[in-house]
Amino acid sequence: GNSVTQMEGPVTLSEEAFLTINCTYTATGYPSLFWYVQYPGEGLQLLLKATKADDKGSNKGFEATYRKETTSFHLEKGSVQVSDSAVYFCALSFYGQNFVFGPGTRLSVLP
Amino acid sequence: DTEVTQTPKHLVMGMTNKKSLKCEQHMGHRAMYWYKQKAKKPPELMFVYSYEKLSINESVPSRFSPECPNSSLLNLHLHALQPEDSALYLCASSQGMLAGGPSGANVLTFGAGSRLTVL
Repeated sequence: GNSVTQMEGPVTLSEEAFLTINCTYTATGYPSLFWYVQYPGEGLQLLLKATKADDKGSNKGFEATYRKETTSFHLEKGSVQVSDSAVYFCALSFYGQNFVFGPGTRLSVLP
Repeated sequence: DTEVTQTPKHLVMGMTNKKSLKCEQHMGHRAMYWYKQKAKKPPELMFVYSYEKLSINESVPSRFSPECPNSSLLNLHLHALQPEDSALYLCASSQGMLAGGPSGANVLTFGAGSRLTVL
């Protein structure tokens, strides 16, 4: 079946550090890929997405590139802020249905 | 309007109570979802309504009863719950497969959730 694997953390960084959260997937075919973010006490918010190989999704300084050859969609940000502290979920779907979420990565950014 | 609104935000109920969670969206989305999220876990799919018809039920116990009165509203009726049902219940919506097409333009838009505590 389809699945998503990501580093579970927690990841603790100092403000302005570089962030990478790894995400790899297993799927039959070529799904759309997503990163969602969940701030404390809130629902999930779409952070960025990519729908085909080599697409780069970007938003709020975060980026991720759809790599078909390595079945990966790693999330990066050049300089994190305290306000980026949250849980990040990598996810895939086919045709906008049957979303599969990774376990989530908790990020804490210290001032 | 790009929001999914869930009420109530918090709910405490006893095991013999009957209560309902409500969800509303006005984005013209034709698919609506209920997810359950336990602490430090990803959301788990419970139900999917597509064009107001129940299309997916992930073997959810009958003490949870979904209802989709129209394309904008989604309810989750709760009866005789157990303490282990305490969780964050998330509603989400998407354009729906037919509207979104195979490009995967569909994304899930989540509400802020209803935090349920069963005593």
